[in-house]
Amino acid sequence: TQLLEQSPQFLSIQEGENLTVYCNSSSVFSSLQWYRQEPGEGPVLLVTVVTGGEVKKLKRLTFQFGDARKDSSLHITAAQPGDTGLYLCAGRRGFNKFYFGSGTKLNVKP
Amino acid sequence: GAVVSQHPSRVICKSGTSVKIECRSLDFQATTMFWYRQFPKQSLMLMATSNEGSKATYEQGVEKDKFLINHASLTLSTLTVTSAHPEDSSFYICSARDVAGPDTQYFGPGTRLTVL
Repeated sequence: TQLLEQSPQFLSIQEGENLTVYCNSSSVFSSLQWYRQEPGEGPVLLVTVVTGGEVKKLKRLTFQFGDARKDSSLHITAAQPGDTGLYLCAGRRGFNKFYFGSGTKLNVKP
Repeated sequence: GAVVSQHPSRVICKSGTSVKIECRSLDFQATTMFWYRQFPKQSLMLMATSNEGSKATYEQGVEKDKFLINHASLTLSTLTVTSAHPEDSSFYICSARDVAGPDTQYFGPGTRLTVL
């Protein structure tokens, strides 16, 4: 059983559309990170959120950490083909425990 | 940003042999390195946490004698898959954490292990 559940698992959309990916848990995390991973490569960090209710923006990407620090969302505005990839959330509990979500595979069609 | 390398990037071996994977932090010192395993189309599963100069901490269900981890210096950790079998075939990824904070971990590019 995954500690962090991501939804949806797969998403195929047209260029220009908006989308939201959710990362949910019943556990509290010290921090939560979002990564993007390309096939055959390691994950690349997009953002870290630490405070409950925190919102961070990275160009067309908006990340939110839930008030109770149990969940998070990633919203992409006007998706582009370059956004295609596997998006992973990861929560930290304690100093050394990182738990990854199940992943959302995004495909943006031109 | 910080760079973490892994070597080899791909390895194919026969069943019963041992394979060593290296993880290096190239431009920073990593007191802690993490080893993950990723099955096709699945997420990353933490296998173990490696601290420089001390024994690794393994996650539940990960065999210590099968996955030997050594973290001899602040820039190098190694994972040795001993007596590999086809079910050990997977994508192994390391990450290294620098002193900036508990959330600052940088991932290596991964090693694809195929055991025949």
